[in-house]
Amino acid sequence: QKEVEQDPGPLSVPEGAIVSLNCTYSNSAFQYFMWYRQYSRKGPELLMYTYSSGNKEDGRFTAQVDKSSKYISLFIRDSQPSDSATYLCAMRGSGNTPLVFGKGTRLSVIA
Amino acid sequence: EPEVTQTPSHQVTQMGQEVILRCVPISNHLYFYWYRQILGQKVEFLVSFYNNEISEKSEIFDDQFSVERPDGSNFTLKIRSTKLEDSAMYFCASQGGIATDTQYFGPGTRLTVL
Repeated sequence: QKEVEQDPGPLSVPEGAIVSLNCTYSNSAFQYFMWYRQYSRKGPELLMYTYSSGNKEDGRFTAQVDKSSKYISLFIRDSQPSDSATYLCAMRGSGNTPLVFGKGTRLSVIA
Repeated sequence: EPEVTQTPSHQVTQMGQEVILRCVPISNHLYFYWYRQILGQKVEFLVSFYNNEISEKSEIFDDQFSVERPDGSNFTLKIRSTKLEDSAMYFCASQGGIATDTQYFGPGTRLTVL
């Protein structure tokens, strides 16, 4: 079983739609959860970071963590064409342990 | 806003040659990382570095790889004898000194081995 599973998509939505991106994981030691956005051939850009179960909101983005189900989500409201990118979930244990990434979901928002 | 920088943005080399990829982490960060991403695949951890020594490394990080922090600002990844399969994007990341901090990534160096 892979440590972090993420549906690679691609996912295509119309502008203004609500987007839901998800990852599941198997390692109970993971405590910190991130969502990164990556444009083609660029570095991952941090979008959301959380370390507790529940929801965290930042503008149009909401990160949700359910540690009991080992499931995390990223919701994008009022999606824009500029949101078109690959979204990577990543997680790690305590301290300075390395990040474990999902494969990324490619999102296209069509105007 | 502080950011991680990497040079060069693209490096082309012949198989068997040595390459050095350079990174300038965010000032005052204490933990440094190298990751790589082969085209179409996941971002994979290579090595972490703290207090001037390797703190963790993956199976990928074999004897042909080395890391160094030669001064107070640069963090380098050396590949001694490149192979075709080393072609990938290489990302440097840095993290602050608090356990709850997260990692910030540089823009990457695209390495092409011919």
